[in-house]
Amino acid sequence: KAGVTQTPRYLIKTRGQQVTLSCSPISGHRSVSWYQQTPGQGLQFLFEYFSETQRNKGNFPGRFSGRQFSNSRSEMNVSTLELGDSALYLCASSRGEYQETQYFGPGTRLLVL
Amino acid sequence: AQTVTQSQPEMSVQEAETVTLSCTYDTSENNYYLFWYKQPPSRQMILVIRQEAYKQQNATENRFSVNFQKAAKSFSLKISDSQLGDTAMYFCAFMKHRGGSEKLVFGKGTKLTVNP
Repeated sequence: KAGVTQTPRYLIKTRGQQVTLSCSPISGHRSVSWYQQTPGQGLQFLFEYFSETQRNKGNFPGRFSGRQFSNSRSEMNVSTLELGDSALYLCASSRGEYQETQYFGPGTRLLVL
Repeated sequence: AQTVTQSQPEMSVQEAETVTLSCTYDTSENNYYLFWYKQPPSRQMILVIRQEAYKQQNATENRFSVNFQKAAKSFSLKISDSQLGDTAMYFCAFMKHRGGSEKLVFGKGTKLTVNP
């Protein structure tokens, strides 16, 4: 089975721009979660989608949003980028039926200049 | 809110030796899951081991085993016969047992270096 894939792998943007990151889960997985990883704050939960519905949301401003498509692929969007948004964004998938183990993708490294 | 604490920011071990990474957590939940994930340099996060809180038996996975002390809210990872490929950041993580949502709460991580 193919693992979780994320595109793009690297991204450079400037302040004020917006960005969209994509995540394709493992085949058969219906839950996709997003995490932000920074040296200062560590790994923080952004949100989780299951069957196209947001089931849980972390403590991030409204500039961070996401969605999930009928094929379980997910996108997250960050609008009006700030320098502090520079981070590794990790996507994880699971079957989502009941506290299943999450499997992570390689991440998208975003640099905001 | 749940918190996970890894008190050892960095550790090192000689190849073939045994090392134990510490993790403590704080929760009012009775049922939950605990995980250890490994993140090698510039590579993706991979699951090392998973423990269900309702199971008294400690989880093992080849050279990796845990010491789960529910009353003490402690969840340490023991790596036996350390290998160079074990060099990585190790994250301890917590997940509630309640259905309908999945969210991992991570510790800050322990950077493990295995020396030849």
